[in-house]
Amino acid sequence: GAGVSQSPRYKVTKRGQDVALRCDPISGHVSLYWYRQALGQGPEFLTYFNYEAQQDKSGLPNDRFSAERPEGSISTLTIQRTEQRDSAMYRCASSEGQYEKLFFGSGTQLSVL
Amino acid sequence: GQQVMQIPQYQHVQEGEDFTTYCNSSTTLSNIQWYKQRPGGHPVFLIQLVKSGEVKKQKRLTFQFGEAKKNSSLHITATQTTDVGTYFCAGRFLGAGSYQLTFGKGTKLSVIP
Repeated sequence: GAGVSQSPRYKVTKRGQDVALRCDPISGHVSLYWYRQALGQGPEFLTYFNYEAQQDKSGLPNDRFSAERPEGSISTLTIQRTEQRDSAMYRCASSEGQYEKLFFGSGTQLSVL
Repeated sequence: GQQVMQIPQYQHVQEGEDFTTYCNSSTTLSNIQWYKQRPGGHPVFLIQLVKSGEVKKQKRLTFQFGEAKKNSSLHITATQTTDVGTYFCAGRFLGAGSYQLTFGKGTKLSVIP
């Protein structure tokens, strides 16, 4: 595709449910990042993939959060047993290489009721 | 953890006035990037600075990287209404995990016509 695609665009879920957020990066981009952005704040780093390898997951808030990129392309961020404090915009970004500029997707707005 | 501080948080200017946002880190950065996020949009890459003391210009925008590679600034000359948005700096720290891009909280620019 022409850009980074994220789905769903909006996700409303009840507290305690699991959610899976999908990211389809720009074709050929080896690096993939997940960020979380609260309203009026800057993107907060969650995790980073180089190809299929998760090289940094230091930003994941707790063990309810996990991410995978099994074939080095599409990535999924999973949040188990969601809590209200998980409500935020979740953004995926990809880049050609580890030190290159990031291309962001439009994000998934998660609301936990 | 390592942080990138950005000031001011908000800036209101009259159209035609200049605007500057500043970014500071307590530790040396390997490089710094700047992004612009329009209201309701996603961050879009503007520029990357790598060298100590580097200055780059894009039309009315001037970007600087400090000699010690701990600070950076973005200056807009003669603001226009199209400049409205939030400007983020994002730095990479030296050492392990240097591929992680840490964003500041951003400066929200409002331009009064």
